Amino acid sequence: QVQLVQSGAEVKKPGASVKVSCKASGYTFTSYGISWVRQAPGQGLEWMGWISAYNGNTNYAQKLQGRVTMTTDTSTSTAYMELRSLRSDDTAVYYCAREDSSGESFDYWGQGTLVTVSS
Amino acid sequence: SSELTQDPAVSVALGQTVRITCQGDSLRSYYASWYQQKPGQAPVLVIYGKNNRPSGIPDRFSGSSSGNTASLTITGAQAEDEADYYCNSRDSSGNHRRVFGGGTKLTVL
Repeated sequence: QVQLVQSGAEVKKPGASVKVSCKASGYTFTSYGISWVRQAPGQGLEWMGWISAYNGNTNYAQKLQGRVTMTTDTSTSTAYMELRSLRSDDTAVYYCAREDSSGESFDYWGQGTLVTVSS
Repeated sequence: SSELTQDPAVSVALGQTVRITCQGDSLRSYYASWYQQKPGQAPVLVIYGKNNRPSGIPDRFSGSSSGNTASLTITGAQAEDEADYYCNSRDSSGNHRRVFGGGTKLTVL
Protein backbone atom coordinates (compact mmCIF):
# COMPACT_ATOMS: atom_id res chain seq x y z
CA GLN A 1 0.00 0.00 0.00
CA VAL A 2 1.13 3.53 -0.72
CA GLN A 3 2.64 5.28 2.28
CA LEU A 4 4.33 8.62 2.81
CA VAL A 5 6.12 8.80 6.15
CA GLN A 6 7.47 12.16 7.27
CA SER A 7 10.18 13.10 9.72
CA GLY A 8 9.42 14.24 13.24
CA ALA A 9 8.53 17.58 14.74
CA GLU A 10 11.10 20.38 14.76
CA VAL A 11 11.63 23.50 16.84
CA LYS A 12 13.72 26.20 15.23
CA LYS A 13 14.79 29.75 16.03
CA PRO A 14 13.98 32.64 13.71
CA GLY A 15 16.50 32.87 10.90
CA ALA A 16 17.35 29.16 10.99
CA SER A 17 16.58 26.52 8.36
CA VAL A 18 14.56 23.33 8.53
CA LYS A 19 14.62 20.25 6.30
CA VAL A 20 11.65 17.89 6.36
CA SER A 21 11.77 14.44 4.78
CA CYS A 22 9.04 12.33 3.24
CA LYS A 23 9.83 8.66 2.62
CA ALA A 24 7.64 6.96 0.03
CA SER A 25 6.82 3.28 -0.25
CA GLY A 26 4.36 1.03 -2.03
CA TYR A 27 4.77 2.52 -5.51
CA THR A 28 7.41 3.43 -8.11
CA PHE A 29 8.78 6.66 -6.64
CA THR A 30 9.99 8.14 -9.93
CA SER A 31 6.60 7.79 -11.60
CA TYR A 32 4.88 10.51 -9.56
CA GLY A 33 5.46 14.06 -8.44
CA ILE A 34 5.39 15.24 -4.84
CA SER A 35 3.87 18.48 -3.64
CA TRP A 36 4.42 20.11 -0.28
CA VAL A 37 1.52 21.76 1.53
CA ARG A 38 1.55 23.60 4.84
CA GLN A 39 -1.10 24.60 7.34
CA ALA A 40 -0.55 27.26 9.98
CA PRO A 41 -2.40 26.78 13.28
CA GLY A 42 -6.13 27.29 12.76
CA GLN A 43 -5.63 28.24 9.12
CA GLY A 44 -6.23 26.70 5.71
CA LEU A 45 -4.01 24.70 3.40
CA GLU A 46 -1.26 26.45 1.45
CA TRP A 47 0.46 24.86 -1.55
CA MET A 48 4.21 25.39 -1.32
CA GLY A 49 5.53 23.75 -4.44
CA TRP A 50 6.07 20.60 -6.46
CA ILE A 51 8.95 18.40 -7.50
CA SER A 52 9.11 15.75 -10.16
CA ALA A 53 10.60 12.59 -8.70
CA TYR A 54 11.45 11.58 -12.28
CA ASN A 55 13.80 14.42 -13.21
CA GLY A 56 13.92 16.81 -10.25
CA ASN A 57 12.08 19.64 -11.97
CA THR A 58 10.50 22.02 -9.48
CA ASN A 59 7.77 24.64 -9.37
CA TYR A 60 7.56 26.78 -6.25
CA ALA A 61 4.85 29.08 -4.93
CA GLN A 62 5.80 32.63 -5.75
CA LYS A 63 5.74 33.80 -2.13
CA LEU A 64 8.33 31.18 -1.13
CA GLN A 65 10.70 31.59 -4.11
CA GLY A 66 14.25 32.02 -2.84
CA ARG A 67 13.55 30.51 0.58
CA VAL A 68 12.44 26.98 -0.30
CA THR A 69 14.24 24.10 -1.98
CA MET A 70 12.69 20.75 -2.80
CA THR A 71 14.82 17.75 -3.65
CA THR A 72 14.53 14.01 -3.98
CA ASP A 73 16.80 11.02 -3.37
CA THR A 74 15.64 8.30 -5.72
CA SER A 75 17.96 5.74 -4.10
CA THR A 76 15.89 5.94 -0.90
CA SER A 77 12.55 7.07 -2.40
CA THR A 78 12.64 10.15 -0.22
CA ALA A 79 11.57 13.72 -0.92
CA TYR A 80 12.90 16.68 1.04
CA MET A 81 11.69 20.21 1.63
CA GLU A 82 14.11 22.79 3.03
CA LEU A 83 12.86 26.19 4.17
CA ARG A 84 15.42 28.87 5.07
CA SER A 85 15.34 32.18 6.96
CA LEU A 86 12.51 30.92 9.13
CA ARG A 87 10.05 33.40 10.62
CA SER A 88 7.38 32.96 13.26
CA ASP A 89 4.70 32.84 10.57
CA ASP A 90 6.36 29.72 9.13
CA THR A 91 5.09 27.83 12.17
CA ALA A 92 2.83 25.20 10.63
CA VAL A 93 2.22 21.55 9.95
CA TYR A 94 4.02 20.62 6.75
CA TYR A 95 2.61 17.84 4.57
CA CYS A 96 3.98 16.01 1.57
CA ALA A 97 1.43 14.71 -0.91
CA ARG A 98 1.74 12.52 -3.97
CA GLU A 99 0.25 13.86 -7.19
CA ASP A 100 -1.87 11.29 -8.97
CA SER A 101 -0.98 9.97 -12.42
CA SER A 102 -2.86 12.79 -14.15
CA GLY A 103 -1.08 15.38 -12.03
CA GLU A 104 -4.40 16.95 -11.12
CA SER A 105 -4.93 15.86 -7.52
CA PHE A 106 -3.10 14.74 -4.39
CA ASP A 107 -4.08 11.15 -3.81
CA TYR A 108 -1.86 10.22 -0.85
CA TRP A 109 -0.63 12.40 1.99
CA GLY A 110 2.03 12.13 4.65
CA GLN A 111 1.06 12.36 8.30
CA GLY A 112 2.39 15.89 8.64
CA THR A 113 5.39 17.43 10.42
CA LEU A 114 4.95 20.25 12.91
CA VAL A 115 7.59 22.95 12.56
CA THR A 116 7.60 25.53 15.34
CA VAL A 117 9.59 28.72 14.91
CA SER A 118 10.16 30.45 18.21
CA SER A 119 12.90 32.38 19.93
CA SER B 1 -5.52 35.94 -0.50
CA SER B 2 -6.68 32.86 -2.36
CA GLU B 3 -7.49 32.71 -6.07
CA LEU B 4 -10.13 30.14 -5.21
CA THR B 5 -13.01 31.37 -3.07
CA GLN B 6 -15.06 29.21 -0.72
CA ASP B 7 -17.76 30.06 1.79
CA PRO B 8 -16.16 29.86 5.26
CA ALA B 9 -18.96 27.82 6.82
CA VAL B 10 -21.95 25.77 5.75
CA SER B 11 -24.39 23.70 7.76
CA VAL B 12 -26.70 20.84 6.83
CA ALA B 13 -29.29 18.79 8.67
CA LEU B 14 -28.48 15.12 9.12
CA GLY B 15 -29.53 13.18 6.03
CA GLN B 16 -30.04 16.24 3.87
CA THR B 17 -28.10 17.39 0.82
CA VAL B 18 -25.45 20.10 0.91
CA ARG B 19 -23.42 21.80 -1.81
CA ILE B 20 -20.04 23.36 -1.14
CA THR B 21 -18.79 25.71 -3.84
CA CYS B 22 -15.42 26.96 -5.04
CA GLN B 23 -15.08 29.93 -7.39
CA GLY B 24 -12.11 31.04 -9.46
CA ASP B 25 -11.08 32.00 -12.97
CA SER B 26 -8.80 28.99 -13.35
CA LEU B 27 -11.81 26.69 -12.94
CA ARG B 28 -12.89 27.66 -16.46
CA SER B 29 -9.84 25.71 -17.69
CA TYR B 30 -9.01 23.16 -14.99
CA TYR B 31 -10.94 20.75 -12.81
CA ALA B 32 -10.94 21.17 -9.06
CA SER B 33 -10.08 18.42 -6.64
CA TRP B 34 -11.68 18.29 -3.19
CA TYR B 35 -10.20 17.33 0.17
CA GLN B 36 -11.81 16.51 3.49
CA GLN B 37 -9.88 17.30 6.65
CA LYS B 38 -10.91 16.37 10.16
CA PRO B 39 -9.25 17.90 13.24
CA GLY B 40 -5.72 16.70 13.78
CA GLN B 41 -5.66 14.63 10.60
CA ALA B 42 -4.11 14.95 7.17
CA PRO B 43 -6.43 15.89 4.30
CA VAL B 44 -8.11 13.11 2.34
CA LEU B 45 -8.94 13.30 -1.38
CA VAL B 46 -12.69 12.86 -1.93
CA ILE B 47 -13.30 14.06 -5.51
CA TYR B 48 -11.01 14.60 -8.50
CA GLY B 49 -11.35 15.23 -12.20
CA LYS B 50 -14.77 15.62 -13.76
CA ASN B 51 -16.48 13.63 -10.97
CA ASN B 52 -14.29 10.80 -9.73
CA ARG B 53 -14.14 9.27 -6.28
CA PRO B 54 -11.07 7.46 -4.94
CA SER B 55 -11.58 3.96 -3.66
CA GLY B 56 -13.24 3.98 -0.25
CA ILE B 57 -15.01 7.33 -0.63
CA PRO B 58 -18.79 6.90 -0.26
CA ASP B 59 -20.94 7.56 -3.31
CA ARG B 60 -22.84 10.28 -1.46
CA PHE B 61 -19.91 12.53 -2.45
CA SER B 62 -20.06 13.96 -5.97
CA GLY B 63 -18.51 16.80 -7.91
CA SER B 64 -19.58 19.10 -10.71
CA SER B 65 -18.38 22.21 -12.49
CA SER B 66 -19.94 25.08 -14.42
CA GLY B 67 -18.13 28.14 -15.68
CA ASN B 68 -15.89 29.46 -12.92
CA THR B 69 -17.52 27.42 -10.16
CA ALA B 70 -16.79 23.91 -8.95
CA SER B 71 -19.11 22.20 -6.49
CA LEU B 72 -18.88 19.34 -4.05
CA THR B 73 -22.25 17.81 -3.19
CA ILE B 74 -22.95 15.50 -0.29
CA THR B 75 -26.28 13.72 -0.76
CA GLY B 76 -27.59 12.45 2.57
CA ALA B 77 -24.99 14.01 4.86
CA GLN B 78 -23.83 11.88 7.78
CA ALA B 79 -22.44 12.96 11.13
CA GLU B 80 -19.00 11.73 10.09
CA ASP B 81 -18.99 14.17 7.17
CA GLU B 82 -18.55 17.09 9.56
CA ALA B 83 -15.13 18.44 8.59
CA ASP B 84 -13.28 21.15 6.72
CA TYR B 85 -13.41 20.89 2.93
CA TYR B 86 -10.85 22.41 0.59
CA CYS B 87 -10.84 22.76 -3.18
CA ASN B 88 -7.60 22.83 -5.17
CA SER B 89 -6.76 23.59 -8.77
CA ARG B 90 -4.16 25.25 -10.94
CA ASP B 91 -3.80 28.98 -10.48
CA SER B 92 -4.81 31.41 -13.20
CA SER B 93 -1.29 32.57 -14.11
CA GLY B 94 -0.63 29.76 -16.58
CA ASN B 95 2.57 28.64 -14.83
CA HIS B 96 1.04 25.41 -13.50
CA ARG B 97 1.25 26.43 -9.86
CA ARG B 98 -1.52 25.14 -7.67
CA VAL B 99 -3.76 26.92 -5.19
CA PHE B 100 -6.16 25.92 -2.44
CA GLY B 101 -9.43 27.57 -1.61
CA GLY B 102 -9.75 29.03 1.87
CA GLY B 103 -11.76 26.05 3.07
CA THR B 104 -15.37 25.48 4.17
CA LYS B 105 -16.26 24.26 7.65
CA LEU B 106 -19.20 21.87 7.29
CA THR B 107 -21.41 21.38 10.32
CA VAL B 108 -23.91 18.51 10.35
CA LEU B 109 -26.84 19.41 12.60
